[in-house]
Amino acid sequence: AAGVIQSPRHLIKEKRETATLKCYPIPRHDTVYWYQQGPGQDPQFLISFYEKMQSDKGSIPDRFSAQQFSDYHSELNMSSLELGDSALYFCASSFQTTGGSTDTQYFGPGTRLTVL
Amino acid sequence: AQSVAQPEDQVKVAEGNPLTVKCTYSVSGNPYLFWYVQYPNRGLQFLLKYITGDNLVKGSYGFEAEFNKSQTSFHLKKPSALVSDSALYFCAVRVGGYNKLIFGAGTRLAVHP
Repeated sequence: AAGVIQSPRHLIKEKRETATLKCYPIPRHDTVYWYQQGPGQDPQFLISFYEKMQSDKGSIPDRFSAQQFSDYHSELNMSSLELGDSALYFCASSFQTTGGSTDTQYFGPGTRLTVL
Repeated sequence: AQSVAQPEDQVKVAEGNPLTVKCTYSVSGNPYLFWYVQYPNRGLQFLLKYITGDNLVKGSYGFEAEFNKSQTSFHLKKPSALVSDSALYFCAVRVGGYNKLIFGAGTRLAVHP
């Protein structure tokens, strides 16, 4: 079965540079979520999109922005990178059934961002 | 605030023995609870979820979880552990109208031969 695809899998950047992470959800999934997992930590919710509109926002820095495109893929743009942004960034997708809030999120393999 | 707690950083069991990974939750309203497993350098894999219905939920790879409303717990269990079950396990609760997940701190399961 098709899974969530994330690219790149690994990314190394210098401080103050920018980075763009891409996420391709499972076909027919209409909701995308971004999470950040620091070393030895649990995943923290950043932001989500439903039908190309931002649906929820968590602890996402103002330096970060994201969007979901017409083909439902999503991009997380990160600017003025800091050492503390080094983490594993996960994308997850789900299908938002009518009324529905019991959908399972399926996670991609993650993008490991290292900021030097 | 809605939250999930995993009281054990690490659980060690012998192969073939039953395992339990503990999770307690604090939510307003009906809880929607999930278990995910993370292998090294891999993404989170969905194991099982509780939405409503039977308190015993069966999931992937022989795992099951028991929902206990009075104890606000959702412990993950497996009757016979395998060495390949060694991984990091996260309990999570869905909050909000759009499925945002709040994760516990994770429990590292080590199954030794």
